[in-house]
Amino acid sequence: NAGVTQTPKFQVLKTGQSMTLQCAQDMNHNSMYWYRQDPGMGLRLIYYSASEGTTDKGEVPNGYNVSRLNKREFSLRLESAAPSQTSVYFCASSETFPSGNTIYFGEGSWLTVV
Amino acid sequence: QQQVKQSPQSLIVQKGGISIINCAYENTAFDYFPWYQQFPGKGPALLIAIRPDVSEKKEGRFTISFNKSAKQFSLHIMDSQPGDSATYFCAASWGSARQLTFGSGTQLTVLP
Repeated sequence: NAGVTQTPKFQVLKTGQSMTLQCAQDMNHNSMYWYRQDPGMGLRLIYYSASEGTTDKGEVPNGYNVSRLNKREFSLRLESAAPSQTSVYFCASSETFPSGNTIYFGEGSWLTVV
Repeated sequence: QQQVKQSPQSLIVQKGGISIINCAYENTAFDYFPWYQQFPGKGPALLIAIRPDVSEKKEGRFTISFNKSAKQFSLHIMDSQPGDSATYFCAASWGSARQLTFGSGTQLTVLP
């Protein structure tokens, strides 16, 4: 059982390039999330999808777009990468409240924008 | 403002000692308070969690103490072990999609 799988694990981009981070979960969860982690700032929510077909902005959505492709997959796109987007990105999933509270995280994608 | 404040930023404890990490929040809409443990190169993993109608929850060597009136909660790690060395995040959950707001993290080092 893989849980939450993210690709790629590592990526280096030049300023202005675009890329998509892919995420898939095999736990049949309704909700999915994208977080970024920066030193000293914890994890901050970028976007989330409460259920298939819906997406909403989190705390730091600027410069990102998301697509909930189906119940399993939730992708994060950087249209024009900036050095400020250098970070570790985590995808996560959970059951929808009130049936579940545990949020499961992938292993992260390390992105460097030069 | 959705915010959770965590302290200390780093903590060094001797093997067998007690590790204590504190968090405070403002938003009374938070209704679930998990603690996550993260090892280098890995994603955060749920360690223990508590609801605001309970003042304390214990799982093995890990205990959460919750003070609803003070809007504070803390993680106590008893008999700390070198294998507990990791970064610990408190968090607060809200909304039907269970969005998490995280504290800034505490890097725990347990010396052998």
